[in-house]
Amino acid sequence: DGGITQSPKYLFRKEGQNVTLSCEQNLNHDAMYWYRQDPGQGLRLIYYSQIVNDFQKGDIAEGYSVSREKKESFPLTVTSAQKNPTAFYLCASSIKSGGGEQYFGPGTRLTVT
Amino acid sequence: KQEVTQIPAALSVPEGENLVLNCSFTDSAIYNLQWFRQDPGKGLTSLLLIQSSQREQTSGRLNASLDKSSGRSTLYIAASQPGDSATYLCAVLPANQAGTALIFGKGTTLSVSS
Repeated sequence: DGGITQSPKYLFRKEGQNVTLSCEQNLNHDAMYWYRQDPGQGLRLIYYSQIVNDFQKGDIAEGYSVSREKKESFPLTVTSAQKNPTAFYLCASSIKSGGGEQYFGPGTRLTVT
Repeated sequence: KQEVTQIPAALSVPEGENLVLNCSFTDSAIYNLQWFRQDPGKGLTSLLLIQSSQREQTSGRLNASLDKSSGRSTLYIAASQPGDSATYLCAVLPANQAGTALIFGKGTTLSVSS
């Protein structure tokens, strides 16, 4: 089955620790995205990548980092510099950036205490 | 800056009703508009994608329309069922910013009672 997988589904961390969220796709899509969702707010873009070894900051990139070493994988690291990291994180991909339909993974709920 | 608004924020209807969800956007320069469904604690499921050159798209009981000039889209759900209960999100892909991602509304939470 083709699709997007995110792991883990739930993640708990202590304040001050970095944590990495996994996102893998087998759709052969060039573009991948990370969004953050908070209660009562729309999804907000953290980072996106149009091709391997390239990525750009979104609207709320501060305190986050990404890498795109393989076409299939786009991991997101939430660093200790992120002031309010507790949220629902969604990864998405599209066949190309700027026009294709976006497909989403099941999400990772991160709780930092 | 592109902004997407969805009205109403919440809607409750009895089973069998036809209903319309509204989405408006401030900048008509878009590549496409996408409607999604989100169940509690889950990811987004794409329902319909309308390209900027299209007026509507249909899938089963769902019909989405797009009026780019007025900055509006509607999602029509026919003969609603309890299984349609979810949050529906509208998102646009701006045409004037190369390589950017979708801009989302905050969603309409639909509850269909049996």
